[in-house]
Amino acid sequence: DGGITQSPKYLFRKEGQNVTLSCEQNLNHDAMYWYRQDPGQGLRLIYYSQIVNDFQKGDIAEGYSVSREKKESFPLTVTSAQKNPTAFYLCASSTGAATNEKLFFGSGTQLSVL
Amino acid sequence: AQRVTQPEKLLSVFKGAPVELKCNYSYSGSPELFWYVQYSRQRLQLLLRHISRESIKGFTADLNKGETSFHLKKPFAQEEDSAMYYCALSPISGGYNKLIFGAGTRLAVHP
Repeated sequence: DGGITQSPKYLFRKEGQNVTLSCEQNLNHDAMYWYRQDPGQGLRLIYYSQIVNDFQKGDIAEGYSVSREKKESFPLTVTSAQKNPTAFYLCASSTGAATNEKLFFGSGTQLSVL
Repeated sequence: AQRVTQPEKLLSVFKGAPVELKCNYSYSGSPELFWYVQYSRQRLQLLLRHISRESIKGFTADLNKGETSFHLKKPFAQEEDSAMYYCALSPISGGYNKLIFGAGTRLAVHP
């Protein structure tokens, strides 16, 4: 099954710990995104990357960090500075970063705090 | 502020009944609007976008700039339409594909 692979499916974080969520795509897409989904709320943009070695903050970037060293990979680190990390995290990609590009989504990672 | 509002958390209908999933937006310019859908145990995926003026799986959505709405409609609901539906807005300005999502509406179609 090609497309976007997120791992792990479930992740638990201890207080004060940094955790990294993986996102890999084999669609040869330039743009990648991280969204956070909380119950009863829509998806909110954390970070996005239009091209390798470049990324920008979204609406709720505080407490998160990303890297884009390879076109296929866009890992998200939830740092200890993120005080409310429990949420469902979705990674997405698109061929480019134009406003009408279709987004392809991964299956998500549920992060919980122990 | 840019915002997408889906006033109904749950819409429950019987098979064969008409469906209208409401979406209102707040944006000063001319946005691009989309409907994304997530079926049970599947990934979130694009259903349709207003710029394409298409009908997908019998669903249509018309952009009404006067009412700032982009309601999703289907004349006869099917059980397989049961899913979570998200309306999304992409501002024309901004230079990147920043999607603003509504909270979603769960459509339940009963036999």
